[in-house]
Amino acid sequence: SYELTQPPSVSVSPGQTASITCSGDKLGDKYASWYQQRPGQSPLLVIYQDTKRPSGIPERFSGSNSGDTATLTITGTQAVDEAAYFCQAWDTNTAVFGGGTKLTVL
Amino acid sequence: QVQLVQSGAEVKKPGASVKVSCKASGSTFSSYDINWVRQATGQGLEWMGWMNPNSGNTGYAQKFQGRVTMTRDSSKSIAYMELSSLRSEDTAVYFCASIVPTYGTTTFGCWGQGTLVTVSS
Repeated sequence: SYELTQPPSVSVSPGQTASITCSGDKLGDKYASWYQQRPGQSPLLVIYQDTKRPSGIPERFSGSNSGDTATLTITGTQAVDEAAYFCQAWDTNTAVFGGGTKLTVL
Repeated sequence: QVQLVQSGAEVKKPGASVKVSCKASGSTFSSYDINWVRQATGQGLEWMGWMNPNSGNTGYAQKFQGRVTMTRDSSKSIAYMELSSLRSEDTAVYFCASIVPTYGTTTFGCWGQGTLVTVSS
C-alpha cells in the first residue's frame, strides 16, 4: 500500500522559516494537500493542489511538490503556527495521510 | 460553504456497533462527497472511506471492508458512518470531511468537529 513519510517533529524560532517534508513514491505525480491541526481541534486545510492556499490562510504558508517529495513551507513562522501538520494524497482511489509532523515554535 | 456538525460522543462495548452522524448545512448536501477519517489519541489521521450523497455510491479503505457502512438521509442532509464488531483499537475520534469543489476533488476542504468513540468493556 502507498505510504507518505513525514518527520515526527520540526522546531523553528519565531520569524524563521519552517519546512516540513512529505515523501512518497512519485508523489510529484499526484496532488498533495496539507492540513494543520491544533490540539483538540479538527484538521484545517492550509494547502491544496500542491501550491494553492484556501481563502483565509496567511500568505506565509506555501507548498511545493516534485519528484518524491512535497514540502510545506512557513515563512516568518509565528507562535500561532505551532501545531501538527499532515500531508495527504490519493493513490488508487484511496486517501493516504502522512504520519504527521509536530511543529514547535521556540 | 458547507458546514458539518457531528453527533455526540459514544461509549460502546467490544463487539457492538456504533453509528455516527454528520449533518451538512450551508450548501447543497448532494454536491460534496463525504469522507470519514479517524484519529486515535496522539496518533495520525486514518482514512476510512467515502460516500457520494447524491448517488449513495461508496468506497471503503481495505482495512475496514466488511465492517464499515456509509449511508445518508438526503431529506435531512445527514451522512452516517456505522462501524461494527468494535474492538478496543477502534477507540478514536471520528471525523467526517467533505470534498469541496472549490478546492478540487482531491482535498478535504471542510471537516466536522469530530466524535469520540470509546470502546471499553
